[in-house]
Amino acid sequence: AQSVTQPDIHITVSEGASLELRCNYSYGATPYLFWYVQSPGQGLQLLLKYFSGDTLVQGIKGFEAEFKRSQSSFNLRKPSVHWSDAAEYFCAVGARWAAGNKLTFGGGTRVLVKP
Amino acid sequence: EAQVTQNPRYLITVTGKKLTVTCSQNMNHEYMSWYRQDPGLGLRQIYYSMNVEVTDKGDVPEGYKVSRKEKRNFPLILESPSPNQTSLYFCASSLDSSISDGYTFGSGTRLTVV
Repeated sequence: AQSVTQPDIHITVSEGASLELRCNYSYGATPYLFWYVQSPGQGLQLLLKYFSGDTLVQGIKGFEAEFKRSQSSFNLRKPSVHWSDAAEYFCAVGARWAAGNKLTFGGGTRVLVKP
Repeated sequence: EAQVTQNPRYLITVTGKKLTVTCSQNMNHEYMSWYRQDPGLGLRQIYYSMNVEVTDKGDVPEGYKVSRKEKRNFPLILESPSPNQTSLYFCASSLDSSISDGYTFGSGTRLTVV
């Protein structure tokens, strides 16, 4: 069964500083990998996804993520954080071609942005 | 606008009173799913549907029912709600079961059972 771990429950970062959110997954083959963002009171919005090919993927809002197979990781980064990036971020892994496909989510990382 | 619409957004109910949370999508998606979100646990899948009249249990199906009579609608039914079902619920859809595009999520329903 697939699983996702986001080791950091909360992260506080200063506006303008860089941000990195960690994600480790467990899955027997190459998975689909996703990052979603949830702003307060909102649903989840897709930031970026990885299937294959270039291991560095670009997403919306200036985010990028790097797939590292050897570390089973898919960390999310942003070079310079804006106050509007304060939100909760979820990493998710999806099984390929399996019956009953679903996304399995990590527990989330809440990002606070200091002025 | 392509979207997943859930209703209601907020609901407070009493233990044992049957309720239904509606979900509708306008994207002609085959795959629909319900998740609940609890602090520290992320999102956990309750039920999913790969097409009309095809539904199956997710990871936490106890206490819930679903139906998929039409492609666009996927209601979540709590026959006898209990306080441990107090949670934030999300409906999601994707084009098909390959989930290669990820999910489109609704705005959520915050349910409180007292």
